[in-house]
Amino acid sequence: GQQLNQSPQSMFIQEGEDVSMNCTSSSIFNTWLWYKQDPGEGPVLLIALYKAGELTSNGRLTAQFGITRKDSFLNISASIPSDVGIYFCAGYSGGGADGLTFGKGTHLIIQP
Amino acid sequence: DADVTQTPRNRITKTGKRIMLECSQTKGHDRMYWYRQDPGLGLRLIYYSFDVKDINKGEISDGYSVSRQAQAKFSLSLESAIPNQTALYFCATSDLHNYGYTFGSGTRLTVV
Repeated sequence: GQQLNQSPQSMFIQEGEDVSMNCTSSSIFNTWLWYKQDPGEGPVLLIALYKAGELTSNGRLTAQFGITRKDSFLNISASIPSDVGIYFCAGYSGGGADGLTFGKGTHLIIQP
Repeated sequence: DADVTQTPRNRITKTGKRIMLECSQTKGHDRMYWYRQDPGLGLRLIYYSFDVKDINKGEISDGYSVSRQAQAKFSLSLESAIPNQTALYFCATSDLHNYGYTFGSGTRLTVV
């Protein structure tokens, strides 16, 4: 099946630093999504991208849909303690595909 | 009340026991999904349903079964639980036009 390669697997950063993570695939996706999972909770949608080249922001978060449609990145500016969690990318290839394909997640840890 | 409710939140069961995890939603979405989360493996699709009469196997359906009792209810069963089914289980919903899933808060299942 389709696979998404998400990196890095984990990040240890200082509060206030910017964060960047990405997802790549050998397959084309029509939609890219970024989710955040807080401890003990289900993932929550952060940003959805529907067009190649699209750049979308949600507060301090910015995500882009790669031109090749095979990648996406998420940036977080000026990280704060509540940014801690696991971030997942997800892609949808369309054409009646059986739902989203998820990356394995990036675990973000922020040191005060 | 939460849009997607999973019960129980936590469950410890013995090897060989039958167990059912329940999911109900108030989103009015047609599509419902069951995922399993293991550390380092991300979210893996177990089963999904696009409407009440539709049931489809996902990536890791062996050892699991599902029932879509109504548009709002989708339950996951482990007929004979085994220890490697110890994991965090998530139910999710989506509608036809929005690929952004809404997740429940998860069920932490431990099989001893």
